[in-house]
Order: sequence, then structure tokens, then C-alpha cells
Amino acid sequence: GENVEQHPSTLSVQEGDSAVIKCTYSDSASNYFPWYKQELGKRPQLIIDIRSNVGEKKDQRIAVTLNKTAKHFSLHITETQPEDSAVYFCAARENDSWGKLQFGAGTQVVVTP
Amino acid sequence: NAGVMQNPRHLVRRRGQEARLRCSPMKGHSHVYWYRQLPEEGLKFMVYLQKENIIDESGMPKERFSAEFPKEGPSILRIQQVVRGDSAAYFCASSLGPSYNSPLHFGNGTRLTVT
Repeated sequence: GENVEQHPSTLSVQEGDSAVIKCTYSDSASNYFPWYKQELGKRPQLIIDIRSNVGEKKDQRIAVTLNKTAKHFSLHITETQPEDSAVYFCAARENDSWGKLQFGAGTQVVVTP
Repeated sequence: NAGVMQNPRHLVRRRGQEARLRCSPMKGHSHVYWYRQLPEEGLKFMVYLQKENIIDESGMPKERFSAEFPKEGPSILRIQQVVRGDSAAYFCASSLGPSYNSPLHFGNGTRLTVT
């Protein structure tokens, strides 16, 4: 099965700086990589995703890059704001019959004003 | 369109009691997934169900845990004879189709505390 590792586990950034979270996956057949944001006590919410036929995707201040050869993908948040503070989870979809999502352990991002 | 609804939000049970967690998927969604989140850990897959069928329960503990998604009504995750190690947040997610072609939408979770 798929194994997803995520780093760092915590990330503290100054408001306005960039934040980068990295994930690696084990199954080269995985083909879909979503990112979820979870604020304290709330539900995980999908913020961006990328498929294996694309190398980069951007949505305003958020971007995701994928390196299939190295089997890693990253989340980039630019011009961070206090409301970006949350736990971010990466995930990879297994290439099984229904596409099970395996999640990384999460990154606690703290944006300080 | 209401999102994925889970209840209760918080559930306290004593060791040995039963816990029942409910999940109503988003309108039009017939695929339901249960994930467990231990403190400061990621989301661990438990079970994937469609109406009246368990598709994949590879993440479910072999004993005490069961899940169903009846033709009518919410999906139920049932934990019998709870132990302290069952304390966690249990999240339900739903999708329009299998997750290989539809994103997952999560509910707010049920936080189970076993005393």
C-alpha cells in the first residue's frame, strides 16, 4: 500500500513570508495528490489538488508542485497571513480499485503577525 | 446544500460501553468513508461504504468495530465495549463517486472520549 511522509511537523513563519511543506510517497502508481487544511476543532477542507499528468498548479497564494520521478510533492503558501495558521495534510491516492487516500501526518503551520 | 453532517460532535463513554457515530453524506453523495484521527496524528482510513455495501474495511480493527450504510438513513460507525485507546476524532467523508474521480468532503467529526 501507499505510504506518505510529510515534513516538517511544525512550521512557524512571519506574516508575509512563504511556507513550504513537503511530502513523499512510496507507490509510483499513485496519481492524485490533494492537500487539506484543518483549523483547530474543524473539518479538513480541500484547498488544492494535483494530478500526476501535471507538474504544477496554482490558486492565488497557494501552489502545489509534483515531481513524479522523485515521488515527492510540495505545498507552497506565499504572502502568509494569520488565517493561514492551521494543520495541513497531504495525501496520495492509491492506484487500487477505488482510489483510497492515504494521508501524511500533518504540518502545524503558525503564522505570527 | 448542507455539507457532510456528523453527530454527535462530542461523545463521552465509559470503558465497556458502546459508541454509535452517525454520518449523513452530502446530498447526492452515495460514497462514504470513515477516518480516525488520533491526537496530533494524521487521518487513518478505516472503511469505505456505498449504500448497503462495505467496499473496503481494510482499516477497521478486527474486533469491536463495525460500520453500515443502510438504504435509508445515515451511515453508522459502531464501537462496542470501548477502551481508552478508542479515544479519537472520527471523521466521515463523502464523495459523488469513488474517490479516484471525486474529491472527498469531510464532516466536522465526532470527538470520542472514553473515560
